[in-house]
Amino acid sequence: EVQLLESGGGLVQPGGSLRLSCAASGFTFRTYAMSWVRQAPGKGLEWVSAIRGSGDLTFYADSVKGRFTISRDNSKNTLYLQMNNLRAEDTALYYCAKDNDALDMWGQGTKVTVFS
Amino acid sequence: DIQMTQSPSTLSASVGDRVTITCRASHSISSWLAWYQQKPGKAPKLLIYKASTLESGVPSRFSGSGSGTDFTLTISSLQPDDFATYYCQQYHSYSYTFGLGTKLEIK
Repeated sequence: EVQLLESGGGLVQPGGSLRLSCAASGFTFRTYAMSWVRQAPGKGLEWVSAIRGSGDLTFYADSVKGRFTISRDNSKNTLYLQMNNLRAEDTALYYCAKDNDALDMWGQGTKVTVFS
Repeated sequence: DIQMTQSPSTLSASVGDRVTITCRASHSISSWLAWYQQKPGKAPKLLIYKASTLESGVPSRFSGSGSGTDFTLTISSLQPDDFATYYCQQYHSYSYTFGLGTKLEIK
């Protein structure tokens, strides 16, 4: 069974940092791209970042470029999102998703709250 | 970035109704479009990819059509479990973009 389990969310002040993790199981992790998607409270979905299966190519939304870094450890079947210089508008539920072009499997999300 | 315009934002319908949600891309995306269903407190679920291909396990009352810039999601006969929010998403190119969503409510 394909499973994605996010962790690492929490409360942080503006300018702070967090690292999110996503543990994958049930599929050959290294062969799939992975994406992060977020959803602010009461709002729609916003794609944040993606990384190719080998980790050699990464992509970012303009809203996070230069502040967030996506990475993966294929030996641990784990995806990461390093978030620096966090802003109030980064407050959201962050999902990782298996990126098979369409996002065909999603985790349950980890909540990030940026407050002053 | 490619913008996705989804309509309507809210749709009221009854069990058994046929409903259609539309999504328009600001540039041609060929057939690189997906539809997702999201229920409150849950992660989105992929329904349709490549504009018209039904994801495994999704009921056949769901269908998708379109190519280029104009797309539709149709539910042929609404069931109680279908009342949720629906999103379109283009994956023609990064940055992926989503429509703002359509909340399907019980009339």
